[in-house]
Amino acid sequence: GNSVTQMEGPVTLSEEAFLTINCTYTATGYPSLFWYVQYPGEGLQLLLKATKADDKGSNKGFEATYRKETTSFHLEKGSVQVSDSAVYFCALGPDTGRRALTFGSGTRLQVQP
Amino acid sequence: DAEITQSPRHKITETGRQVTLACHQTWNHNNMFWYRQDLGHGLRLIHYSYGVQDTNKGEVSDGYSVSRSNTEDLPLTLESAASSQTSVYFCASSEASGRARGNEQFFGPGTRLTVL
Repeated sequence: GNSVTQMEGPVTLSEEAFLTINCTYTATGYPSLFWYVQYPGEGLQLLLKATKADDKGSNKGFEATYRKETTSFHLEKGSVQVSDSAVYFCALGPDTGRRALTFGSGTRLQVQP
Repeated sequence: DAEITQSPRHKITETGRQVTLACHQTWNHNNMFWYRQDLGHGLRLIHYSYGVQDTNKGEVSDGYSVSRSNTEDLPLTLESAASSQTSVYFCASSEASGRARGNEQFFGPGTRLTVL
């Protein structure tokens, strides 16, 4: 079945540092890929998405490229801010026969001033 | 603006009690989902619905049930609450189709349930 593996957290960075959060997936077919962000006490918000191979999703300075050859969708940001502190979830799908998303375990990011 | 709401936001109950968590969306989406969030597990799918009168089990459906009598609502019921069901519960919805847009899911703010 489908699965998503994210790097373990927490990730602690200083403000303006470069961020990478790794995400790899296992899937049948050609699912879409997503990054969701969860700020403290809130629900999940879509950060970015990519619907086919080689697509690059981007939003708020974050980027991720759908790499079919390496089954990866790593999240990057060139210069993080304290306000980026949150939990980030990589998600897979939906795909044929399944409209729900498959989530990774989440990676907590803490940015220090 | 369209939105998805959940109530209550916090609930404390006792083992063995029946509990119902409400989810209401004004997106007019056919697809609705319930997930639970636990540390180290991310979000896991409990139940889902593709339309009125349609309900399906997800990966962790034991001890939970849902019903879909209209497009807007998908209440989640814990028939006899157990301590293992202490968690944060999220409701989500999405359009029935639209693969080109990636079938984005919209999430509610969550309900924190504690079973004592």
